[in-house]
Amino acid sequence: SVLTQPPSVSGAPGQRVTISCTGSSSNIGAGYDVHWYLQLPGTAPKLLIYGNNNRPSGVPDRFSGSKSGTSASLAITGLQAEDEGDYYCQSYDSSLSEYVFGGGTKLTVL
Amino acid sequence: QVQMVQSGAEVKKPGSSVKVSCKAAGGSFNNYGFSWVRQAPGQGLEWMGRIIPILDVKNFAQKFQGRVTITADESTSTAYMELSSLRSDDTAMYYCARLHNSGWLFFDSWGQGALVTVSS
Repeated sequence: SVLTQPPSVSGAPGQRVTISCTGSSSNIGAGYDVHWYLQLPGTAPKLLIYGNNNRPSGVPDRFSGSKSGTSASLAITGLQAEDEGDYYCQSYDSSLSEYVFGGGTKLTVL
Repeated sequence: QVQMVQSGAEVKKPGSSVKVSCKAAGGSFNNYGFSWVRQAPGQGLEWMGRIIPILDVKNFAQKFQGRVTITADESTSTAYMELSSLRSDDTAMYYCARLHNSGWLFFDSWGQGALVTVSS
């Protein structure tokens, strides 16, 4: 994948976890925003964070995003069992002229 | 709130084509763009192409150039994706996703997916 994410992260209920998303000078580093999606098991992806750090209506404020340089991060505080799923970052790449995704990170709540 | 409703699962032979539809209900179709994203079994998300009717824009991922056709019928608020010359590695869930109309840079609503199986 053009954007690099860790394959998996885990945490206990109530804890805080972060998921990184590393790109390059043609996507995140070029100033394109990073967006995050959550795919619960057996369902379609759902927008979680847009424009680096904005939450759509209905997304709890336990979820937050940040971006710096060629990387971005998603933070989840107060982990809950229902947060288990696959998280994807997404941006736009000017060299490819394509939308690009990270490979996805599987979150396990212990 | 807009809902994107896709057509059902398909089983196709290698070398054939498949056409998947995506009907947008509850929103203004003409003010948005639509992309197609696929996900092979156990794999991540892969962008295939987009159409933005109001700008008369169509773009495709290099990987699918010449093999994918994306259209939109404003009269029925439906977007279509046709993939030709199917191979076994085209077996995947195909999602339509609505492009947010402020910058066209992220996907704010997704269809439920359509499973396409390519098998002889």
